[in-house]
Amino acid sequence: AQSVTQPDIHITVSEGASLELRCNYSYGATPYLFWYVQSPGQGLQLLLKYFSGDTLVQGIKGFEAEFKRSQSSFNLRKPSVHWSDAAEYFCAVGGGYGGSQGNLIFGKGTKLSVKP
Amino acid sequence: DAGVIQSPRHEVTEMGQEVTLRCKPISGHDYLFWYRQTMMRGLELLIYFNNNVPIDDSGMPEDRFSAKMPNASFSTLKIQPSEPRDSAVYFCASSFGQYSTEAFFGQGTRLTVV
Repeated sequence: AQSVTQPDIHITVSEGASLELRCNYSYGATPYLFWYVQSPGQGLQLLLKYFSGDTLVQGIKGFEAEFKRSQSSFNLRKPSVHWSDAAEYFCAVGGGYGGSQGNLIFGKGTKLSVKP
Repeated sequence: DAGVIQSPRHEVTEMGQEVTLRCKPISGHDYLFWYRQTMMRGLELLIYFNNNVPIDDSGMPEDRFSAKMPNASFSTLKIQPSEPRDSAVYFCASSFGQYSTEAFFGQGTRLTVV
């Protein structure tokens, strides 16, 4: 079955510290992978995506993610967290065809809190 | 463009009442998606349209749920009759083209059924 697992429900980091949010997926075909961010009361904003090519992808707001096929992982990283990064982060997987850029399977999300 | 517009932003209704959620996709987008977000189940795709035609409604939970897209600029998600377990945030998203790389989400409608 297709699924996305985000093992960490809630993470707290200090401002300026590095961040890594974990994402593992199960998908029968070549996956297209996404990270979205949701601020309180807001919709989802795309941070970055992986379709093919370089397995290290850069996104907005200083985020990056690395696709590791052997580990079925797509972890999100940021070298130095800012207080404004506090939000909920969702990893998602799709098939990359037929509208699947929106036809996605989402993980349950990881809530990030940032300590001053 | 103003982005994907959903209305209302909040809806409180009594059990048994009909609820209609509305979505205006980004102009020119030909795919439209309805998602539901709950604490227990996270984000789930309910249904999606391509060129106003429903393509996959396998995520619609029950016959009480229905969705329509009468034209390229408007879609509705209706629940009749509503139940407390329908309480959730409902998101609409739109995208352009079969191989586009991003779906754009609206701000959601928070539905509370009491």
